Amino acid sequence: QSALTQSASVSGSPGQSITISCTGTSSDIGTYDHVSWYQQHPGKAPKLIIYEVNNRPSGVSNRFSGSKSANTASLTISGLQAEDEADYYCSSYATTSPPWVFGGGTKLTVL
Amino acid sequence: EVQLVQSGGGSVQPGGSLRLSCAASGFSFRSHWMSWVRQAPGKGPEWVANIMPDGSRENYMDSVKGRFIISRDNAKQSVDLQMNSLRAEDTAFYYCAREMDWSWDNWGPGTLVTVSS
Repeated sequence: QSALTQSASVSGSPGQSITISCTGTSSDIGTYDHVSWYQQHPGKAPKLIIYEVNNRPSGVSNRFSGSKSANTASLTISGLQAEDEADYYCSSYATTSPPWVFGGGTKLTVL
Repeated sequence: EVQLVQSGGGSVQPGGSLRLSCAASGFSFRSHWMSWVRQAPGKGPEWVANIMPDGSRENYMDSVKGRFIISRDNAKQSVDLQMNSLRAEDTAFYYCAREMDWSWDNWGPGTLVTVSS
């Protein structure tokens, strides 16, 4: 059982926007802005797409955006494209052990 | 270009040992914390261990403390994970990853470790 809770799946049509939520506790997301999001295609390593809640690494499309409210972080993908179909994982620094926790992942299907 | 090239891994019986290595290039290796993150098939990632830039401090997840050792050689720009007393629940893809801004901004390709009798 993952420390952070994500919905198992989400879907959307090309051009639409979707939001993936990630719920934690006051020991992780609620305390720190050290929330990151990763995209993972089958058979590949995770790729960082959002760090520190709402920052995009160089080269990541501005269609990806992040936010946080209380114990829940969110990833929004706008203008869905076929290549966005992947698994998405959230992560947060935590006061607990281990110091980093992950969500169980959300599978995005582009219809 | 940042590159993390992994080696090691494979299949081992419970109680056995394996050593994973990660060779880094394309960045100032001695300036970064480095982590090992694992992911069991079909599951979310799980942070395993990390090591300070100068190698003076290491951190581990509870279930691997006393069994796994992370180390680094800044001259060779490499980070290793020595895994001892392996258990079935250690079966996973293992990734080395560079830490940056409280996240992992570059990942190795991963290597599969299978612990089974």
